[in-house]
Amino acid sequence: AQTVTQSQPEMSVQEAETVTLSCTYDTSESDYYLFWYKQPPSRQMILVIRQEAYKQQNATENRFSVNFQKAAKSFSLKISDSQLGDAAMYFCAYRRNNNDMRFGAGTRLTVKP
Amino acid sequence: DTGVSQDPRHKITKRGQNVTFRCDPISEHNRLYWYRQTLGQGPEFLTYFQNEAQLEKSRLLSDRFSAERPKGSFSTLEIQRTEQGDSAMYLCASSLSWDRGLREAFFGQGTRLTVV
Repeated sequence: AQTVTQSQPEMSVQEAETVTLSCTYDTSESDYYLFWYKQPPSRQMILVIRQEAYKQQNATENRFSVNFQKAAKSFSLKISDSQLGDAAMYFCAYRRNNNDMRFGAGTRLTVKP
Repeated sequence: DTGVSQDPRHKITKRGQNVTFRCDPISEHNRLYWYRQTLGQGPEFLTYFQNEAQLEKSRLLSDRFSAERPKGSFSTLEIQRTEQGDSAMYLCASSLSWDRGLREAFFGQGTRLTVV
């Protein structure tokens, strides 16, 4: 079974600074996708960034980038130039082939002005 | 199409009552998922459909839970004889299947169930 582990229940960052959220996963598959989702308070979950396992290049989306280490089964999210609107729960998720997505327990990010 | 829609947004029910939730996915998406999320936790997978076929059910989905997607469009999730432990946010998501090229799922705003 696939499992996703987020070892940081809470993180805090100063506005305009950089923060990295950690995620590790367990799988025996070679072809899969990894995602970071953001869930603001009382709002719906939205996709931040995704990474295809077959791609060596790390995905980037504006201020968001990932560090994908396939051998180590690690998938961290870096948020640069943090903004107040980045405050949310962040969930790491894994999807294999044609199956459902499995989520980690989440990291609550606080951004301090 | 404005995205995944869930109804109702909030539901308060007495223990032992039955409840039904509805999810309308993004229209061209053939996959539909149900997740349950308790406070401070990540979404836990319950079940998913491809078109009208229910392809997988989690062990979390006890006999009191049933889900349908009769015409491959909207889906319903029914909980019979609700228990206080059923109190949670129920999330619906939709996506295209792997072979149709889209990888991520799009989520609705959820239905928050409170069992008193």
